[in-house]
Amino acid sequence: QKEVEQNSGPLSVPEGAIASLNCTYSDRGSQSFFWYRQYSGKSPELIMSIYSNGDKEDGRFTAQLNKASQYVSLLIRDSQPSDSATYLCAVKGSGNTPLVFGKGTRLSVIA
Amino acid sequence: DAGVTQSPTHLIKTRGQQVTLRCSPKSGHDTVSWYQQALGQGPQFIFQYYEEEERQRGNFPDRFSGHQFPNYSSELNVNALLLGDSALYLCASSLDSFTEAFFGQGTRLTVV
Repeated sequence: QKEVEQNSGPLSVPEGAIASLNCTYSDRGSQSFFWYRQYSGKSPELIMSIYSNGDKEDGRFTAQLNKASQYVSLLIRDSQPSDSATYLCAVKGSGNTPLVFGKGTRLSVIA
Repeated sequence: DAGVTQSPTHLIKTRGQQVTLRCSPKSGHDTVSWYQQALGQGPQFIFQYYEEEERQRGNFPDRFSGHQFPNYSSELNVNALLLGDSALYLCASSLDSFTEAFFGQGTRLTVV
């Protein structure tokens, strides 16, 4: 059973701080890793993808991948109240395997 | 460029009834995947369609079936609805199964 684990939170950070969201996965054959943001009552929105070990930066977001530790994280710098949402980690294996999602971490940015 | 569109956005059905949900993929995408998301949970994979064939299937009963049309749009059918089928149903499209997947706005199904 392929699993993706996330701390459900809520993770509360003050406005302007760095939010750090973490995810571990069980399938060592996983090759693609994604972070989705989901506002309450809305559908998931893709914000980051990462495929190789190391860091990938996009604006205020940085995704970090460590395949040896089976660990992927998302850093949000200068957190804003509008970043308050549930962040879903999704992992994909090789070939036609589907995305496997964690349960998500709820982030609350306090003004 | 239209993104992934789903219809209807909300639906209320009675236990035992049947429902059909529809999805049009993002322009240029040929692969459609369906997910069920219960409250407080991550999306759970139902199945994936490519070239009008079901290519992958998750751990869902045969009451869940689907179809993909030549224009890549897709339908999800659920028969003999149960109260536990109440959830947000999400459609995601991608260019084959190797690239990033983008979700539609979802269909909120309530079974009463």
